[in-house]
Amino acid sequence: NAGVMQNPRHLVRRRGQEARLRCSPMKGHSHVYWYRQLPEEGLKFMVYLQKENIIDESGMPKERFSAEFPKEGPSILRIQQVVRGDSAAYFCASSPLLGQGEAETQYFGPGTRLLVL
Amino acid sequence: AQKVTQAQTEISVVEKEDVTLDCVYETRDTTYYLFWYKQPPSGELVFLIRRNSFDEQNEISGRYSWNFQKSTSSFNFTITASQVVDSAVYFCALSPRGSTLGRLYFGRGTQLTVWP
Repeated sequence: NAGVMQNPRHLVRRRGQEARLRCSPMKGHSHVYWYRQLPEEGLKFMVYLQKENIIDESGMPKERFSAEFPKEGPSILRIQQVVRGDSAAYFCASSPLLGQGEAETQYFGPGTRLLVL
Repeated sequence: AQKVTQAQTEISVVEKEDVTLDCVYETRDTTYYLFWYKQPPSGELVFLIRRNSFDEQNEISGRYSWNFQKSTSSFNFTITASQVVDSAVYFCALSPRGSTLGRLYFGRGTQLTVWP
């Protein structure tokens, strides 16, 4: 049973470049969540997606950030024109259907460490 | 408001000591889930336990035990006979069932260091 896969594990970008972070959920999971962990802080929710739908993006900055979970392929978190403050660990989690007992648990990937120079 | 407070930023113990990590939460939702996750030095997040708001039974899993007390809005985590491999950051998280269905609210974590 493969867990949640994230790639790349480490990403270095210069200010102004774009960063694309990928997340493949666990097999059978249709819900994907992205969280950001800034240095010395806990994890903050960014966005919750189902296949082809954004369910809740209230935690995502209004500008430069976008997320998608297409019908085929991984979920993508995209950061345009990165700035130094975007340097953080970005975690993806997945769960099966909500509201069905065991389905409430979110399982996390290993994270992508983004460093903006 | 949804909030999780882990007042202990860092705890250091010597191997074989017992240690309790505190977690206090706030929510107006009557139905919610509580979680503990472990983040070892390698950086990944490992799920430890989920508890729903209707189940106040304490749980034990090997050296780990959890004490859920709705009256004090606490969900504390105890490691018995700690080991060096327990050294990690531990996060408590809340998942309300209301309008923010789906998201986890995390505390800031407690860094546990177990010395040999």
